[in-house]
Amino acid sequence: DQQVKQNSPSLSVQEGRISILNCDYTNSMFDYFLWYKKYPAEGPTFLISISSIKDKNEDGRFTVFLNKSAKHLSLHIVPSQPGDSAVYFCAHHQGGKLIFGQGTELSVKP
Amino acid sequence: KAGVTQTPRYLIKTRGQQVTLSCSPISGHRSVSWYQQTPGQGLQFLFEYFSETQRNKGNFPGRFSGRQFSNSRSEMNVSTLELGDSALYLCASSYQDMNTEAFFGQGTRLTVV
Repeated sequence: DQQVKQNSPSLSVQEGRISILNCDYTNSMFDYFLWYKKYPAEGPTFLISISSIKDKNEDGRFTVFLNKSAKHLSLHIVPSQPGDSAVYFCAHHQGGKLIFGQGTELSVKP
Repeated sequence: KAGVTQTPRYLIKTRGQQVTLSCSPISGHRSVSWYQQTPGQGLQFLFEYFSETQRNKGNFPGRFSGRQFSNSRSEMNVSTLELGDSALYLCASSYQDMNTEAFFGQGTRLTVV
């Protein structure tokens, strides 16, 4: 079974700087990954996705990088804003099933 | 385009009761999946429906069940509620079963007392 791991439970960044959130996975099949942002007691909000035919996908301040040889993906937020403070989840979409990492709580300080 | 709608938003039930939660997906989306979020276990997959058929099921007891209707709306049911079933239940819809974005509703907060 695919596993998705986010090894950093929390990250603190200064406003205006870059936030880098990391995620590792175990399966090497054709993959589709997504990043979500989540506030307490609300549903996750879709941010950005990437398929394994690409190395990079960019949408405004958000860029996701996929390193297939290392089975690693990262989300870059530049510049970070206080409103970005939330829990970020990476997920693998496989056959209608999303497999989530444990999440990283990002705190952006003014 | 309307987003994913879950009802009710909040629910309080007593141990031993049963509960039904509802999810209306984004128009045109045929895949609906359900997740449970608890502080200790994170976001865990319950089951997924596509064109009224359950295609995937997570590691939850048989007390958790669901169904999907011809208009893609979905319901999940939990019978014989236990205190540990208290959680945020989330529904997500996507156009097809893989390699597409999945969008979530606001969730139903279930409290079992």
